[in-house]
Amino acid sequence: EPEVTQTPSHQVTQMGQEVILRCVPISNHLYFYWYRQILGQKVEFLVSFYNNEISEKSEIFDDQFSVERPDGSNFTLKIRSTKLEDSAMYFCASSQGGAVGAFFGQGTRLTVV
Amino acid sequence: AQSVTQLDSQVPVFEEAPVELRCNYSSSVSVYLFWYVQYPNQGLQLLLKYLSGSTLVKGINGFEAEFNKSQTSFHLRKPSVHISDTAEYFCAVSEWNYKLTFGKGTLLTVNP
Repeated sequence: EPEVTQTPSHQVTQMGQEVILRCVPISNHLYFYWYRQILGQKVEFLVSFYNNEISEKSEIFDDQFSVERPDGSNFTLKIRSTKLEDSAMYFCASSQGGAVGAFFGQGTRLTVV
Repeated sequence: AQSVTQLDSQVPVFEEAPVELRCNYSSSVSVYLFWYVQYPNQGLQLLLKYLSGSTLVKGINGFEAEFNKSQTSFHLRKPSVHISDTAEYFCAVSEWNYKLTFGKGTLLTVNP
């Protein structure tokens, strides 16, 4: 069964450093998303990406965040200068489009120290 | 803006008992409704979804949910739970843009 793959599963970084979280969505999917879940809180939408551009982003997705689909298969989330409050589980998701529901990866646990 | 309320943060039940996890939503437009499950140290897995049509939807692992438009609810049920159903369950709603808004989750703990 096709699945969304995220790497790494865990990442520890120092405050102020840049991190790149990587995702390989399901191959025939057209819509890509990043969500995050701070420990003990709800899963929050960060950004959606379609047709090689951002289609929607939340208030959380400020200038320190960026997304890219560099080679037609990977989908990355870059956090330019990490803060302690960026510590969270980050989920990548993809969907074929329409209201079919998104498929989620296993997540990357980011810890900023 | 859409929002989701999961009324119970934790639900403990005994094995083979029935369970209902409650979800209410608010939205000014038509919505699509989903339940996701998260097993420990894993990602989110789609359990079931309501898009249109029959208000009773069946999902994987014997779960079902009923959409009630007048009560803006989408409660998840299972007639007989197993130890392996222990997990966090998330209700989610999306509108035309397919962005998911999640509830805070309900931790279902099935005890022997």
